[in-house]
Amino acid sequence: SQQGEEDPQALSIQEGENATMNCSYKTSINNLQWYRQNSGRGLVHLILIRSNEREKHSGRLRVTLDTSKKSSSLLITASRAADTASYFCATSPRAAGNKLTFGGGTRVLVKP
Amino acid sequence: DGGITQSPKYLFRKEGQNVTLSCEQNLNHDAMYWYRQDPGQGLRLIYYSQIVNDFQKGDIAEGYSVSREKKESFPLTVTSAQKNPTAFYLCASSSNPFGGEGSEQYFGPGTRLTVT
Repeated sequence: SQQGEEDPQALSIQEGENATMNCSYKTSINNLQWYRQNSGRGLVHLILIRSNEREKHSGRLRVTLDTSKKSSSLLITASRAADTASYFCATSPRAAGNKLTFGGGTRVLVKP
Repeated sequence: DGGITQSPKYLFRKEGQNVTLSCEQNLNHDAMYWYRQDPGQGLRLIYYSQIVNDFQKGDIAEGYSVSREKKESFPLTVTSAQKNPTAFYLCASSSNPFGGEGSEQYFGPGTRLTVT
C-alpha cells in the first residue's frame, strides 16, 4: 500500500468555506509535500514541510505535521471554485533520497 | 519560458508495440522522475534519475525502460512486456535529488497512453 493515505477521499464544500484534508504515513520521513492536480493535468507543488517543522503557511494554505502520529493536514481557507482539484500528499522517506511516495488523493469540489 | 514538456499529450498504440514517451526540461535540474497514474489513483514511481547517465528502478519498473544521456532529457519506453500499459504518465524534475531544500518536484502536463 502507499506510504501516504489521504482522508477523506472526496470533499464537497461551498465557496467561502474551509476545506481540511488529512494524510497519514507509515515510516520516518525527511519531509512531506502537498500537490494539487486539476483534472487531466500535471501536478503543481503547493507546500513542503520538513520533519522538524510543525506548521507552515502559504497564502490560504496551512499545513500541519505531527511526526509522533505520522500525520499531516492541509487546510484551504476561504475556498474558491478554482480550488476544485485533487490534492495529494507525498512523503520523502528517510534514506530514500528524493523518492516521493504519493497517497491516493482527496478530490475537492468547491461549489459556487 | 522554463518548464517540463511531455509529448505527445495523447498516444494510441496496438498491443505488442513498444512506445517511447518524451520528457524534456530546461530547468537545469539534476533529478528526473517518471510516474504512472491510473484513474482515481495516486502516482506510482516507475524510474528516477539523480544524475546524467544514471537511473534507478522505482516501485513499478517491470515492463519499462529509460535512458538519461542528457541532463535535460529522460525518455520512457513502455515495452510490450508491460501487462497493463494504458495509463496517464507524468514526468517530473527536481533540483535536489537527495531531499531537503530544492526537493519539490515540477511536473510536466502528462501523456495519456491507450493501448488496444
